[in-house]
Amino acid sequence: EDKVVQSPLSLVVHEGDTVTLNCSYEVTNFRSLLWYKQEKKAPTFLFMLTSSGIEKKSGRLSSILDKKELFSILNITATQTGDSAVYLCAVGGDTGNQFYFGTGTSLTVIP
Amino acid sequence: EPEVTQTPSHQVTQMGQEVILRCVPISNHLYFYWYRQILGQKVEFLVSFYNNEISEKSEIFDDQFSVERPDGSNFTLKIRSTKLEDSAMYFCAPKPISGNTIYFGEGSWLTVV
Repeated sequence: EDKVVQSPLSLVVHEGDTVTLNCSYEVTNFRSLLWYKQEKKAPTFLFMLTSSGIEKKSGRLSSILDKKELFSILNITATQTGDSAVYLCAVGGDTGNQFYFGTGTSLTVIP
Repeated sequence: EPEVTQTPSHQVTQMGQEVILRCVPISNHLYFYWYRQILGQKVEFLVSFYNNEISEKSEIFDDQFSVERPDGSNFTLKIRSTKLEDSAMYFCAPKPISGNTIYFGEGSWLTVV
């Protein structure tokens, strides 16, 4: 049973568009939600979210968490070709310290 | 910037052979994860290692797998008798004791033929 579900699975946009990526989760004892960008090899860390309603921002990327509705969104404004990647969402919770990953959203930005 | 160095970056091995993947921490983390990612699939948890002991392991981490910290600093993930389905990228990821974020190493790409 998937604990972390990301949507859409893939997305193709033109440079300059704004995109919103979704991550819904179902874990008990929620600890944190993590967003990563994966290009060719290892996922690189983007954001960690622990509290509802507090937006995290880094340049054109921003993210927010809703712990009541159990989801998070990652926004990318004014997309560039360099934003093309798979964006992964991971949630820590339940017992133990592992993180559960979604299947990712593949974003392609066309010039 | 990854906080670990993983070797080898890529290994091709024959089915049934033993493989050892290494993770060298840059700073003195006590908590480590091993994750794997089969091509085109999601990142999957294998095992967590805290203070020289296995803390938690998944169903994937069966008797074919083992983790060690042989010299007090480097970590190894050993697969005793590789199967075709073990072909994947294996990531080592340390976690600060006080934090809730994991940072992935560059990964070791294992191809079993």
